Amino acid sequence: DTEVTQTPKHLVMGMTNKKSLKCEQHMGHRAMYWYKQKAKKPPELMFVYSYEKLSINESVPSRFSPECPNSSLLNLHLHALQPEDSALYLCASSPRQGPDTQYFGPGTRLTVL
Amino acid sequence: KNEVEQSPQNLTAQEGEFITINCSYSVGISALHWLQQHPGGGIVSLFMLSSGKKKHGRLIATINIQEKHSSLHITASHPRDSAVYICAVNSGGGADGLTFGKGTHLIIQP
Repeated sequence: DTEVTQTPKHLVMGMTNKKSLKCEQHMGHRAMYWYKQKAKKPPELMFVYSYEKLSINESVPSRFSPECPNSSLLNLHLHALQPEDSALYLCASSPRQGPDTQYFGPGTRLTVL
Repeated sequence: KNEVEQSPQNLTAQEGEFITINCSYSVGISALHWLQQHPGGGIVSLFMLSSGKKKHGRLIATINIQEKHSSLHITASHPRDSAVYICAVNSGGGADGLTFGKGTHLIIQP
């Protein structure tokens, strides 16, 4: 299984809602990443988990809260988002920390009303 | 100034043409990646390079560490190659994520 899955594919939420994005991989990878991609822009790194521990937080607002419950699963909890947070949220994984091929999920397209 | 610069931003070519996309970076890197993104969002890793040259099918990627430059070549281009091609780098040690270029939007016309 060489796939990274993300759910849901699409999410529409109001500014007062709480929702979660889910990412899963069963390749035994020990590094997992969240990226944010605005329309017609390249992805931007948000968080890196290495061996289920948060390794990098790229100054992301606290309304985004990552969680890595186990080595296969990565969540992104969303609360009190703003319309400018509307974007494609991409999850990726790689076998190890450091430079290695990253495998991307299809993304969750988030719209904040 | 962006750490990773790509050129051209947009490229339209005829089927069968030889395609070259360039990437320059201004930081020390541990690896450089070429990625392909189709409409709808899915990103596929094409190559990871730290030196030299790699080939996969009709795709060739090269890197010159001294000049901080990489190229992606597509031979015998086909309309299905139409996509955004993104250069990205690992610029730090440890569990660093990728820093991306702005991408090259490639259209291959039949």
